[in-house]
Amino acid sequence: SQQGEEDPQALSIQEGENATMNCSYKTSINNLQWYRQNSGRGLVHLILIRSNEREKHSGRLRVTLDTSKKSSSLLITASRAADTASYFCATDDDTGFQKLVFGTGTRLLVSP
Amino acid sequence: DGGITQSPKYLFRKEGQNVTLSCEQNLNHDAMYWYRQDPGQGLRLIYYSQIVNDFQKGDIAEGYSVSREKKESFPLTVTSAQKNPTAFYLCASSRPGTGGEQYFGPGTRLTVT
Repeated sequence: SQQGEEDPQALSIQEGENATMNCSYKTSINNLQWYRQNSGRGLVHLILIRSNEREKHSGRLRVTLDTSKKSSSLLITASRAADTASYFCATDDDTGFQKLVFGTGTRLLVSP
Repeated sequence: DGGITQSPKYLFRKEGQNVTLSCEQNLNHDAMYWYRQDPGQGLRLIYYSQIVNDFQKGDIAEGYSVSREKKESFPLTVTSAQKNPTAFYLCASSRPGTGGEQYFGPGTRLTVT
């Protein structure tokens, strides 16, 4: 089952602009993670935010988490062509084991 | 270099044949996972293993089998019972105490005709 739904499904912006992607999930979580996938490649972990955190930063990435709304957002500031990829949110399924449930992803295209 | 390797990158098989996808990690991680990804879709969990000689079914285990005889290795067999095996297969691993961050291999694209 896929718990997360990303919005929008696709996003096209110019270099230098900010990109915001949203993720909604259904059940209670311990943490939420964001991953990036370049076309035809494996996923790369970007950032993890715990359920008791509201905001986290890592370089040009900013993640927020609202557990009352069961939603998260990923902001990429000053985007670059190299940021072109698909972005997925993933949540643990609250079973006590590190099994992740992935969303459907947002495809980001950054044009030079 | 530490990481996860999957081989081969591309695999072609005829319908009705079983095929085994390789996944090896040298990260000393206890847990390993297999996911399936279809075009434009997210990842769906096929099987996972928390420790050597133990594994559990994920959300879409039908038509697949795995083994975990060594900590480093978690091969996936796609059997002829899998109705629609053509997909991109991703292997991942994780270690306890990190909150579940997973490390992914480069994937194997399987095409069955």
